[in-house]
Amino acid sequence: QVTLKESGPGMLQPSQTLSLTCTFSGTSLSTSNMGLSWLRQPSGKGLEWLASIWNNDNYYNPSLRSRLTISKETSKNQVLLKFTSMEPADTATYYCAWDPPYDGYYPFAYWGQGTLVTVSS
Amino acid sequence: DTVLTQSPALAVSPGERVTISCRASESVSTRMHWYQQKPGQQPKLLIYGASNLESGVPARFSGSGSGTDFTLTIDPVEANDTATYFCQQSWNDPTFGSGTKLEIK
Repeated sequence: QVTLKESGPGMLQPSQTLSLTCTFSGTSLSTSNMGLSWLRQPSGKGLEWLASIWNNDNYYNPSLRSRLTISKETSKNQVLLKFTSMEPADTATYYCAWDPPYDGYYPFAYWGQGTLVTVSS
Repeated sequence: DTVLTQSPALAVSPGERVTISCRASESVSTRMHWYQQKPGQQPKLLIYGASNLESGVPARFSGSGSGTDFTLTIDPVEANDTATYFCQQSWNDPTFGSGTKLEIK
């Protein structure tokens, strides 16, 4: 059974850098075709994909690419996300999710519970 | 970006059949997935690859479509299906529809 859990600061001030950690169990980043993604959802709004890490490749939402860095600590079963220049509009619940290869499709089949990040002065 | 368009809200009675639509701005083949999200919870995968039922999801849920037009059908609807339903494409960088809020009368 794959489980994921996000952790973060909860609140930060405008212009600061957000650091998030996704700790998972039940699978391993050293497995081929294993990737993890970060997504976010402002309260009452839709979902937005931010970044993914697959094997040794990183992928970013083009509209946010300059502000995002995704990385992994394989031995700790963790995927990290850094998000620079945070502003109030970035206030959202941030999720990590695993998109396993289901018959060649890659849906977000497993989600963490999410961590709320509030950006406010 | 591939834009996914969903109708914002629907209201149906228990026992009825409901279809939720999702239209893509360009063809995504069958790389469309559907999620259910209840308030305060993370999204839950229902359908992947347009028509494949995720393990453990009741057979009342089904999906169809290819190219640009997709539907999620719930038949029959039950009271605990009250939720917001999102479509998501994985043909290119993942994008989501804005969600359809389903109310059970």
